[in-house]
Amino acid sequence: GAGVSQSPSNKVTEKGKDVELRCDPISGHTALYWYRQSLGQGLEFLIYFQGNSAPDKSGLPSDRFSAERTGGSVSTLTIQRTQQEDSAVYLCASSSRLAGGNTGELFFGEGSRLTVL
Amino acid sequence: AQSVAQPEDQVNVAEGNPLTVKCTYSVSGNPYLFWYVQYPNRGLQFLLKYITGDNLVKGSYGFEAEFNKSQTSFHLKKPSALVSDSALYFCAVRVPYSSASKIIFGSGTRLSIRP
Repeated sequence: GAGVSQSPSNKVTEKGKDVELRCDPISGHTALYWYRQSLGQGLEFLIYFQGNSAPDKSGLPSDRFSAERTGGSVSTLTIQRTQQEDSAVYLCASSSRLAGGNTGELFFGEGSRLTVL
Repeated sequence: AQSVAQPEDQVNVAEGNPLTVKCTYSVSGNPYLFWYVQYPNRGLQFLLKYITGDNLVKGSYGFEAEFNKSQTSFHLKKPSALVSDSALYFCAVRVPYSSASKIIFGSGTRLSIRP
């Protein structure tokens, strides 16, 4: 597609349930990032992928959070046993590889708003 | 530790006046610096970037930013503010690491332009 696509756009779940959030990056973008934004707040880095590997997972808040990327394209962020503090907007972004004139600015999706009751 | 700071949670400016949104960084090496804007209920949009070269970079919607290496700052500026500039602004820095690297964001500054 033309832009970064995220689904679902809105997810309401009960405490303790698992959720999966999907990100489809811009075609050809090798780098993919996940961030979390609490209401009106800044962006908290979660994880980024270069291809299918994740050089930096340092931002994942706990072992309930995991992410994978397959085929160098679609990524899924999974939150197990959701807690109320997981409620936030989860943003995905992609960028082209840093090479030549590509300076790797991020292109963001519209986000997935997660509400844990 | 590497970090980005936006010292002002909110900036209020009258329409037509110049605006400045401040950003300082603490990163080893030569960072790439970015500004992004988030309009209400929208995703983040890229505004401008500094990679190398002229310290004054120009971007979308009439915005510009000045890179100051000695002060480790990258303040966002616009000569004449518009009400439509009201939004949440984020400064970001790409941490040098291999060929695709972690990008960290400041906490954001809410810009409010009054008519």
